Amino acid sequence: GENVEQHPSTLSVQEGDSAVIKCTYSDSASNYFPWYKQELGKRPQLIIDIRSNVGEKKDQRIAVTLNKTAKHFSLHITETQPEDSAVYFCAASWTNTGNQFYFGTGTSLTVIP
Amino acid sequence: SQTIHQWPATLVQPVGSPLSLECTVEGTSNPNLYWYRQAAGRGLQLLFYSVGIGQISSEVPQNLSASRPQDRQFILSSKKLLLSDSGFYLCAWNRDRKYGYTFGSGTRLTVV
Repeated sequence: GENVEQHPSTLSVQEGDSAVIKCTYSDSASNYFPWYKQELGKRPQLIIDIRSNVGEKKDQRIAVTLNKTAKHFSLHITETQPEDSAVYFCAASWTNTGNQFYFGTGTSLTVIP
Repeated sequence: SQTIHQWPATLVQPVGSPLSLECTVEGTSNPNLYWYRQAAGRGLQLLFYSVGIGQISSEVPQNLSASRPQDRQFILSSKKLLLSDSGFYLCAWNRDRKYGYTFGSGTRLTVV
C-alpha cells in the first residue's frame, strides 16, 4: 500500500519567515496530493492541493511543489503569521483500491511573534 | 452546498460500554465516507471507508465496526469499548479520490 512520510514533525519559525514541510510517497501511481491544516481541537481543513500533471501551485502565501520523479512534494508558507500555527498534514491518493487517502504523520508548526 | 454533520462532539464512556457515533452528509449523493481516528498528538489513522450503501472496508482490525444504512449516513460502533479506543474520531467525505476530504467536526471520546 501507499506510505507517506512527512518531515519535520515539529517546526518553529519567527513571524515573517518562511516554513517548508516535506512529504514523500511510495506509490508512483498516486496522482493527487492535498494538504490539511488542523488547529488545536478542531477538524483538519483542506488548504491547498496539487495534481500530478502540475509541478507547482500557489495560493497567496501558500504554495505546493511536486516532484514526481523523486516522489516528493512540499508545502511552502511565506511571510508566516501567528495564525499559521497549527498541525499540517500531507496526504496522497492511493489509486489501487477505493478512494481513500493516506496521511503523513503531521508537522506541528509554531510561528513565534 | 454540501455539509457534514457528526455527533456527539464529546463523549465519556466506561470501559466495556457500547459506542455509536453518527455522521451524515447533506447536499450530495453517493459520497465516499470515511472514519478516521486521531490519538492525542498523533496522526490520522484510517479506520473504515465506504463507497456505497452497505459497502464497508476495514483498514485496521479491532473491536470497532462501521455501517452505512443509508446513502449519506455512516455509523461507527463498538460493542465493548477499550481504554485504547480513546481519541478524536473524525468522519470525512469526498466525491472520489480526485477531490480532497471535507471532515466533520469530530467526536472526542474518552474511555474511562
